[in-house]
Amino acid sequence: RKEVEQDPGPFNVPEGATVAFNCTYSNSASQSFFWYRQDCRKEPKLLMSVYSSGNEDGRFTAQLNRASQYISLLIRDSKLSDSATYLCVGEGLAFGKGNQVVVIP
Amino acid sequence: DGGITQSPKYLFRKEGQNVTLSCEQNLNHDAMYWYRQDPGQGLRLIYYSQIVNDFQKGDIAEGYSVSREKKESFPLTVTSAQKNPTAFYLCASSITPAGKTEAFFGQGTRLTVV
Repeated sequence: RKEVEQDPGPFNVPEGATVAFNCTYSNSASQSFFWYRQDCRKEPKLLMSVYSSGNEDGRFTAQLNRASQYISLLIRDSKLSDSATYLCVGEGLAFGKGNQVVVIP
Repeated sequence: DGGITQSPKYLFRKEGQNVTLSCEQNLNHDAMYWYRQDPGQGLRLIYYSQIVNDFQKGDIAEGYSVSREKKESFPLTVTSAQKNPTAFYLCASSITPAGKTEAFFGQGTRLTVV
């Protein structure tokens, strides 16, 4: 099954720039979505939940577009420490392949 | 400290041997999951359990087996029938099943079969 799909990238981002990427989902009945961050050779860790009204946490903003069935993550003022793979997940805990972000000095 | 613990962190086995990976959580979570991750790939669901004494196959269950005799424990056995067992194995748990709440992950076990 491919319930969640992501463009793996990599997304090469200059330090201080803004990067955004989407994650499409196939189950229109899904209510819960999350973004996880995974560093190289580590376990995924929750970055933020995605609410219908959107969710913002500092430099990170997550949005849900039900009409087009995708969720998005936007990172503003990118830091070198933001370099990681960002995984989206929907109900049933089906993970996408992740968006690899590389922030370049 | 509450959390989810996987052991061992690294595991080496000879081809043809069964091996069991441990996963323990003290978060009082009902649901537990096993994932496999290959280099450059996402997480693929092997098995999940929504409640004690019950578990369901995920997308890639062939060659694996699990048990859920206790709420805290969800061990995964990689059998000799698994054709390509070398991978990074991640265990996770969540308060409610089916991914309606966030999952917490253990640190993973890197299994290498030689």
